[in-house]
Amino acid sequence: DADVTQTPRNRITKTGKRIMLECSQTKGHDRMYWYRQDPGLGLRLIYYSFDVKDINKGEISDGYSVSRQAQAKFSLSLESAIPNQTALYFCATSDASAGRVGTDTQYFGPGTRLTVL
Amino acid sequence: AQSVAQPEDQVNVAEGNPLTVKCTYSVSGNPYLFWYVQYPNRGLQFLLKYITGDNLVKGSYGFEAEFNKSQTSFHLKKPSALVSDSALYFCAVRIRSGGSYIPTFGRGTSLIVHP
Repeated sequence: DADVTQTPRNRITKTGKRIMLECSQTKGHDRMYWYRQDPGLGLRLIYYSFDVKDINKGEISDGYSVSRQAQAKFSLSLESAIPNQTALYFCATSDASAGRVGTDTQYFGPGTRLTVL
Repeated sequence: AQSVAQPEDQVNVAEGNPLTVKCTYSVSGNPYLFWYVQYPNRGLQFLLKYITGDNLVKGSYGFEAEFNKSQTSFHLKKPSALVSDSALYFCAVRIRSGGSYIPTFGRGTSLIVHP
C-alpha cells in the first residue's frame, strides 16, 4: 500500500464546497483509477486513466472530475460537494503491460474518508 | 450484461473450520477473475487471480479459489480459518467497456471467524 498514497486521509467539508483528493504512486504503473466505497454497495468506479492523455468516465462519474497531472499523479475533484458523496474513496493503479497479456491487478491506496455535512 | 455477484453479505465460520466465500460472474469471452481482501481501516489487497490454466488457484495467506466455467463461479476457499482472516472480501472481474477492459467489483462479503 505504501506505493500508492492518498491525501488527505480524512476530510470533513460542507455542502457546496469544492474539494480535491490527491493520489500519487511510485509503482511506475500507467493505469490509475478512482473508486468510492459505500456499505452494501461495494466499490464503484468513478473515473479511470490509462495514460496521461487518456481519461475515461466510470460507472458513477456525475458530480466528479479528475486530472492526470503526470504518470504518477491522479486527482479527484468534487466541484460542489453534496451529502450523498460521503463515502470512502480509493485510488488504485494497475500495470496492463505485465506479461504478454495485461491482467490489471489493482494496487490500492489506503483510502480517504470524506464526510460532507 | 457483464457483472459479478457475491450472494452472501456475511459468512460466519468457527476458527479451524474450512471457509468458502462465493462469487459468480457473467462476462463475454474468457474471464479474468480476482479476489481482494480489505482489513479494517485499510485499502484493498490483492489475494489471487485466475487468468488461464489450472482451475485451482493458490494465493496469499493460505487462500485458494476454484474456477468453474460451467457454473460461472470463482469461490474463495481456505481449509482452516483463522480469527485474523476476519475481513471484507471482494471478488472482481474484468469487463469489456468500449475498446478497453476495466475492473468491476462485487458488493463484498464480510467474513467473521469466531474463536
